[in-house]
Amino acid sequence: AQSVSQHNHHVILSEAASLELGCNYSYGGTVNLFWYVQYPGQHLQLLLKYFSGDPLVKGIKGFEAEFIKSKFSFNLRKPSVQWSDTAEYFCAPLGGYQKVTFGTGTKLQVIP
Amino acid sequence: KAGVTQTPRYLIKTRGQQVTLSCSPISGHRSVSWYQQTPGQGLQFLFEYFSETQRNKGNFPGRFSGRQFSNSRSEMNVSTLELGDSALYLCASSLGLAGGQRYEQYFGPGTRLTVT
Repeated sequence: AQSVSQHNHHVILSEAASLELGCNYSYGGTVNLFWYVQYPGQHLQLLLKYFSGDPLVKGIKGFEAEFIKSKFSFNLRKPSVQWSDTAEYFCAPLGGYQKVTFGTGTKLQVIP
Repeated sequence: KAGVTQTPRYLIKTRGQQVTLSCSPISGHRSVSWYQQTPGQGLQFLFEYFSETQRNKGNFPGRFSGRQFSNSRSEMNVSTLELGDSALYLCASSLGLAGGQRYEQYFGPGTRLTVT
């Protein structure tokens, strides 16, 4: 069965620190990779996506993610976080035998 | 374009009752998916509808059902409510086309269901 693992459940960083949130999935076939973000009191929104091509994808607000097929990973990165990045982040490898799986989420708290 | 809308936003029901939640997708989107979000389990997929047909289903009991209308609006029904059904129910719409874009979803604000 397809599964996804987000290793960090709660991350606390100071402003300007670099961020990397891990995401690993188990399915070896074709998947479409997404990161979604949920800011406090707001809807889930799409942060970035990977379908094919360049494995380094850029999203909104300076976020990027790298797809490493051999490691089944799609880690989210940002060189310098801001207080406004405080949110919950969800990795979602979607597809693959028509399964739809979201990670359990990582809560990021950025301290000013 | 208007976003995904869900009604009602909040609902309180008692055990044993049934409930119907509604979702209007973004104009032009033909796929609607439903998710249950709880603090302990995160987002769990319930089902996906495309062109009035259920295209995909998660691992939820038969008490959870849904349907989609010809205008792509969707409803979700939960019968015989249990305390554990208390959750935020999210609806997401997408173009529904083949490939990755099928899964590029746009979420509504959710319906907060409390079962007492």
